[in-house]
Amino acid sequence: AQKITQTQPGMFVQEKEAVTLDCTYDTSDPSYGLFWYKQPSSGEMIFLIYQGSYDQQNATEGRYSLNFQKARKSANLVISASQLGDSAMYFCAMRVQTGANNLFFGTGTRLTVIP
Amino acid sequence: NAGVTQTPKFRILKIGQSMTLQCAQDMNHNYMYWYRQDPGMGLKLIYYSVGAGITDKGEVPNGYNVSRSTTEDFPLRLELAAPSQTSVYFCASRGGMAEAFFGQGTRLTVV
Repeated sequence: AQKITQTQPGMFVQEKEAVTLDCTYDTSDPSYGLFWYKQPSSGEMIFLIYQGSYDQQNATEGRYSLNFQKARKSANLVISASQLGDSAMYFCAMRVQTGANNLFFGTGTRLTVIP
Repeated sequence: NAGVTQTPKFRILKIGQSMTLQCAQDMNHNYMYWYRQDPGMGLKLIYYSVGAGITDKGEVPNGYNVSRSTTEDFPLRLELAAPSQTSVYFCASRGGMAEAFFGQGTRLTVV
């Protein structure tokens, strides 16, 4: 069975500082993908970044980077130079290659950026 | 290119009523999903489809039905609405191994 764990219900960060949102996962499937989505107060789900289990380098997308530690089964999201618009819920998700390739979501972390 | 379109955006149902949540995508994606998000929680999979004519249950299918007669459309049917079905519903689609694209969500309240 697949499981995603986000242990930080809420996080605060000062504007312009960096912040790390934690995510650990569990799967016996050797091939999987890890995703981060942002959900602002307006409610939509916005894709941020993707990391494949066989990718050698950590994924980066602008101010977002994914700190992928395969042996520890962690896929933390790092947001650099936080902005007020980064205040939102952040969800970590995983998809495995077997079966219907469904996305399994964590419970989310609410990030608040303080001016 | 509209992406994934869900209708309606908001709905209030009385206990025992039925309704259909509409979802359409214009990206020719094979995979489509319905999720529900309860307050303060992550998304849970209700039903999914890997192509036209093929659907299967997710984690929380009870009280719902789906159909997939075309690649574009994936409606979710609620029969005999119950207060426990008060939630925000998201439809998503995916092509290949890319990320899933989500609709704007439908906020449903059952009273």
